[in-house]
Amino acid sequence: DAGVIQSPRHEVTEMGQEVTLRCKPISGHNSLFWYRQTMMRGLELLIYFNNNVPIDDSGMPEDRFSAKMPNASFSTLKIQPSEPRDSAVYFCASSQNIRTSGNTIYFGEGSWLTVV
Amino acid sequence: AQTVTQSQPEMSVQEAETVTLSCTYDTSESDYYLFWYKQPPSRQMILVIRQEAYKQQNATENRFSVNFQKAAKSFSLKISDSQLGDAAMYFCAYRTHTGTASKLTFGTGTRLQVTL
Repeated sequence: DAGVIQSPRHEVTEMGQEVTLRCKPISGHNSLFWYRQTMMRGLELLIYFNNNVPIDDSGMPEDRFSAKMPNASFSTLKIQPSEPRDSAVYFCASSQNIRTSGNTIYFGEGSWLTVV
Repeated sequence: AQTVTQSQPEMSVQEAETVTLSCTYDTSESDYYLFWYKQPPSRQMILVIRQEAYKQQNATENRFSVNFQKAAKSFSLKISDSQLGDAAMYFCAYRTHTGTASKLTFGTGTRLQVTL
């Protein structure tokens, strides 16, 4: 079975440019999460969706960040304009929300973003 | 809000020996899930083991086992017969059991070194 698929794996961009990170969750999963990991702040939840609807976006740092989930198999996280402090590894993750799956959240391999 | 505490920033173990990583959590809920994730240098988040709070039996996965003490809110990970490939960051995580989506709350991680 395919896992959570993220693209791009690595991106280097200049300050002020728009960055779009993409995610395909595991088929049949109805929850999707975007996490960010930095040395200073560890793993932070940015936003999560249930059945394509945003449930909690309180972790989105500011208006420069936006996330969409137009259908059950695709989500984007956009940063516009990007800043050097946005440099981080961005993880997409997905899960089913049923007891038989143990409510396990599965992670993609991450998108390494460097803003110079 | 739930919190997860990993009090050991770094641990070291010799190859073939056993090591235990500590994790405590704070919650007022009775039904939840606990996880250990491994993050090697590649940064991929890999599920190691999970525990359902309603189960009294401690989970095991090959060389990995947990000591789940619900009353004490403790969830430690034991790695037996440690191997060089076990060297990584290990994150303890908590997730509420709910019919709708809920997020994972992570600890700050323990970096495990495996020496010859």
